[in-house]
Amino acid sequence: AQTVTQSQPEMSVQEAETVTLSCTYDTSESDYYLFWYKQPPSRQMILVIRQEAYKQQNATENRFSVNFQKAAKSFSLKISDSQLGDAAMYFCAYGGATNKLIFGTGTLLAVQP
Amino acid sequence: GAGVSQSPSNKVTEKGKDVELRCDPISGHTALYWYRQSLGQGLEFLIYFQGNSAPDKSGLPSDRFSAERTGGSVSTLTIQRTQQEDSAVYLCASSLDGLAGRTDTQYFGPGTRLTVL
Repeated sequence: AQTVTQSQPEMSVQEAETVTLSCTYDTSESDYYLFWYKQPPSRQMILVIRQEAYKQQNATENRFSVNFQKAAKSFSLKISDSQLGDAAMYFCAYGGATNKLIFGTGTLLAVQP
Repeated sequence: GAGVSQSPSNKVTEKGKDVELRCDPISGHTALYWYRQSLGQGLEFLIYFQGNSAPDKSGLPSDRFSAERTGGSVSTLTIQRTQQEDSAVYLCASSLDGLAGRTDTQYFGPGTRLTVL
């Protein structure tokens, strides 16, 4: 069975600085997707970024980028120029052949002004 | 277009009562998913629909939980004889397709917070 591990329950970053959130996963599948979702206090899960496992190039979306290391089964999220609105719970998720998403336990990110 | 919507936003019920939670997916999305988010268990998959069929019900915690989807659109999650441990946020998501072998991006609704007294 696939598992997703987020080892940082909480992180803090100064406004305008850069922070990296860690995620590792375990799978025997060769083709899958990895996602980062953001959940602010409003509860709405918002897609931040998606990575397809067969693509070697790391995905980027504006200030958000990932470091995808397939052999190491590592998928970290880098947030550059952090903003107050980035404060939220961040979930790493795995999507494979079974369609359902498997989530990590989340990292609560605080942004200090 | 509009995103995934869920109703009600919050639901408070008494132990033993039945509740129905509704999800309206993004128009044109054939796949629909229910997840449960609770403090002790994190985010758990409940059930997945492809059209009106549910190929994967493996996450439903007991036979008190059931779900249906009609017209390939709206889905209802029903919890019978609610228990206090059912208190959680119930999230619905939809994706463009849910064809076996690939996991398309899932877009989530705002959730329903269920409190069982």
